[in-house]
Amino acid sequence: GDSVTQMEGPVTLSEEAFLTINCTYTATGYPSLFWYVQYPGEGLQLLLKATKADDKGSNKGFEATYRKETTSFHLEKGSVQVSDSAVYFCALSDNAGNMLTFGGGTRLMVKP
Amino acid sequence: EADIYQTPRYLVIGTGKKITLECSQTMGHDKMYWYQQDPGMELHLIHYSYGVNSTEKGDLSSESTVSRIRTEHFPLTLESARPSHTSQYLCASSDGAVRGYTFGSGTRLTVV
Repeated sequence: GDSVTQMEGPVTLSEEAFLTINCTYTATGYPSLFWYVQYPGEGLQLLLKATKADDKGSNKGFEATYRKETTSFHLEKGSVQVSDSAVYFCALSDNAGNMLTFGGGTRLMVKP
Repeated sequence: EADIYQTPRYLVIGTGKKITLECSQTMGHDKMYWYQQDPGMELHLIHYSYGVNSTEKGDLSSESTVSRIRTEHFPLTLESARPSHTSQYLCASSDGAVRGYTFGSGTRLTVV
C-alpha cells in the first residue's frame, strides 16, 4: 500500500538557518504530494502541493519539488523564523482521489 | 475565515458520559474524515464518509460512531467515554484528495 516516510524530529534550528525536512514515499501510479503545517493547538493547514513530476510547490518561503526518480518531496526554506515553529506533515493522495496518506509528522523548533 | 467548524474546541468530561463532537463544513464537500491525533503527533484515521448515508471505519479501531445524514454535517459520538479516549480529534473534508483536505481546528477531549 501507499506510505510516506518523514525524517524524525524534533528539528531544532536557530533563526535564519536553512531548513530541510526529508519526505519519501511509496505509491503506485502518479499521486499528488502535499505538505501540511500544524501550529500549536490548531488543525492542519495546507502549506503547498505538487501534482506531477518535477512540479515545484511553494508558499510563504517554503518550497518542495516532486522528484519521481527518487520518490521524494523534501521541504525547504532558506531562512526560518521563530514563527515557523510547528509540526509539518508530508502526504500523498491515492489514485482514486479519495484518501490522503500522511507521514508521521516532523516537529520544527526555531530559537531566536 | 474557517470553512469547516468543529465544536467544542476543548471538552473535559467524566468517565461514562456520552458525548458528541460536532463537525460541519460549508463547502459542499462529499468526502469527510475523522482523525485521532496522539501526543506523538501521528494522525490515525478512525472514520470516513464519501457521501450522505455512507460511513466507513478507518485504520485505527475506535469505539466511536459517526453518522452522515446531511452533506455538511459529520458528527462523532462516544456512547461511554473513558480516559483512554483522551486525545485530539480532527475533522477534515475534501472534494477530491488530489486537491487535498481542509481541516477543522480540532477538539481536544479530556476524560477524567
